[in-house]
Amino acid sequence: AQSVTQLDSHVSVSEGTPVLLRCNYSSSYSPSLFWYVQHPNKGLQLLLKYTSAATLVKGINGFEAEFKKSETSFHLTKPSAHMSDAAEYFCVVSEGSSNTGKLIFGQGTTLQVKP
Amino acid sequence: DGGITQSPKYLFRKEGQNVTLSCEQNLNHDAMYWYRQDPGQGLRLIYYSQIVNDFQKGDIAEGYSVSREKKESFPLTVTSAQKNPTAFYLCASSIYGSVVGNQPQHFGDGTRLSIL
Repeated sequence: AQSVTQLDSHVSVSEGTPVLLRCNYSSSYSPSLFWYVQHPNKGLQLLLKYTSAATLVKGINGFEAEFKKSETSFHLTKPSAHMSDAAEYFCVVSEGSSNTGKLIFGQGTTLQVKP
Repeated sequence: DGGITQSPKYLFRKEGQNVTLSCEQNLNHDAMYWYRQDPGQGLRLIYYSQIVNDFQKGDIAEGYSVSREKKESFPLTVTSAQKNPTAFYLCASSIYGSVVGNQPQHFGDGTRLSIL
């Protein structure tokens, strides 16, 4: 069965410094992986997705993630944090076995950006 | 602009009352989903529908009901049987097809339900 683990519930960085949000997944199939961002009292916005093409995926707002099959990881990075990046981030894996389109969500990582 | 509209943004329920949350999309997506989000937790799937007039239970369907009479609409009813309904409810949609596993879901802005 598919599962996803976000290794940090809370990450705090200073503005202008790099961001690293860690995600490990478990899947019996070649997974599709996503990162979503959620600002307070809002829905989720897609940042990027991996679907077995290039292992380094570029997303919106300067974010990128690298798929590492050997480490079963899909960490999210950004070279320089901006105040507007403060939000909740979710790592997500698709339930590929039954092809229902169902997604499995991590518990989320809260990113705090200090001035 | 295409998107998903959820209404109302805030909703209050009295004891023993059923309430219905609206979700409408104009993205021409086949599949629609309802999630519940509690503080500090990820999203949990309540119901999903891959096609009109068909829907399946998700992981936490007890105390909820849905209908899918139109492609654009997927309302969620929180019944009195749901004893802990206070949560943030999110509706989503996606393209459905042979590569559905590759398709991201698009989300509405949510409805926050509280108990009076």
